[in-house]
Amino acid sequence: GNSVTQMEGPVTLSEEAFLTINCTYTATGYPSLFWYVQYPGEGLQLLLKATKADDKGSNKGFEATYRKETTSFHLEKGSVQVSDSAVYFCALTPLNAGNNRKLIWGLGTSLAVNP
Amino acid sequence: EAGVAQSPRYKIIEKRQSVAFWCNPISGHATLYWYQQILGQGPKLLIQFQNNGVVDDSQLPKDRFSAERLKGVDSTLKIQPAKLEDSAVYLCASSLGVGYLNTEAFFGQGTRLTVV
Repeated sequence: GNSVTQMEGPVTLSEEAFLTINCTYTATGYPSLFWYVQYPGEGLQLLLKATKADDKGSNKGFEATYRKETTSFHLEKGSVQVSDSAVYFCALTPLNAGNNRKLIWGLGTSLAVNP
Repeated sequence: EAGVAQSPRYKIIEKRQSVAFWCNPISGHATLYWYQQILGQGPKLLIQFQNNGVVDDSQLPKDRFSAERLKGVDSTLKIQPAKLEDSAVYLCASSLGVGYLNTEAFFGQGTRLTVV
């Protein structure tokens, strides 16, 4: 079946540190891959996405590359800020979803950035 | 472009009472989702609509939860009667739902329900 596995948190970093949050997936074919972010007390926001192999999604300094060979979509940022403190969710939508375009979610990784 | 609107933002009720949540998706979005997010966990899909038809309600506790999407636009989610374990944030999301690439979901701010 389809599934998403994220590294467990919480992750605690100092400001300007390099961030990696690992995400691997299991799915047939070429799913669409997403990173969502949830800031404290707010709803989920799409951070970035990729829809085919070797695509790189990027937004707000974050990047993730769709790696078919390793079935991964790791989230990276070169220099984190305090304002990046949030919970990050990796998710996928299977290729042959038809009308049922259900998002398959990871469990989320909490990031805390200290000044 | 207006986002997904939800109300209320917060609700506190006693167990065995009923409660309803409202969602107005982004204009033109055919697909609407209701998720339950318990503190510290990822979202759990409760029900998915395509226009005004139900596509997936396999994880909806149908003995107490119900949802409708009249005219394929606004949607309401109801819990009757509520249990303590229903305390969670209820998220509504919508997506274009047309074609393979249009699977991006946009979320509302959610309704935080506390059952006491």
